[in-house]
Amino acid sequence: GALVYQYPRRTICKSGTSMRMECQAVGFQATSVAWYRQSPQKTFELIALSTVNSAIKYEQNFTQEKFPISHPNLSFSSMTVLNAYLEDRGLYLCGARDSQGAGNTLYFGEGSRLIVV
Amino acid sequence: AQKVTQTQTSISVVEKTTVTMDCVYETRDSSYFLFWYKQTASGEIVFLIRQDSYKKENATVGHYSLNFQKPKSSIGLIITATQIEDSAVYFCAMRERVGDNSKLIWGLGTSLVVNP
Repeated sequence: GALVYQYPRRTICKSGTSMRMECQAVGFQATSVAWYRQSPQKTFELIALSTVNSAIKYEQNFTQEKFPISHPNLSFSSMTVLNAYLEDRGLYLCGARDSQGAGNTLYFGEGSRLIVV
Repeated sequence: AQKVTQTQTSISVVEKTTVTMDCVYETRDSSYFLFWYKQTASGEIVFLIRQDSYKKENATVGHYSLNFQKPKSSIGLIITATQIEDSAVYFCAMRERVGDNSKLIWGLGTSLVVNP
């Protein structure tokens, strides 16, 4: 089946430092990856959409300078939260879209939780 | 504007019973996809079931089924024979067919507690 692994599962970082998270698709080819942040109130915010061999599209309020993303192949993507502050805390989720089969479904993993102190 | 609304904040049921979770959506597109996910206590988001708007038959996967009422823009999730392990937060989400295929609009979730 389609599986998505994210690591690290949880990071505690000091205010002003950075955190890098990785997303691995297993069992399918992830042509498209969506990075979301789930707030402590459980709402989801789309950060950016990344498609292999295409430009990464950031949503309003999110920038490449703050959340640089790499999507070098069909199984891997990474995102960094630079200069993290309290407002950046939350659960960061990678949603990978299967290019074949059920191509319209996004599969998620367990997320990477960022705690800023 | 696209919107997904889950009015039930939390539901508590006894195991082995059937539970229905409500979800209504707003979209201007004639073709779209509707999803239900559950989020476990660990934070993991698990895909459960999907309904394509152009399909009239209600989707069914295992003990999950959907009650798709297109004229009412409603996509209810039905869980039969609930188990303790079904306790989680359930999210309804929608994606329109046109535009970016990966952008989901999420509801606020319904917390399900299954008691012994």
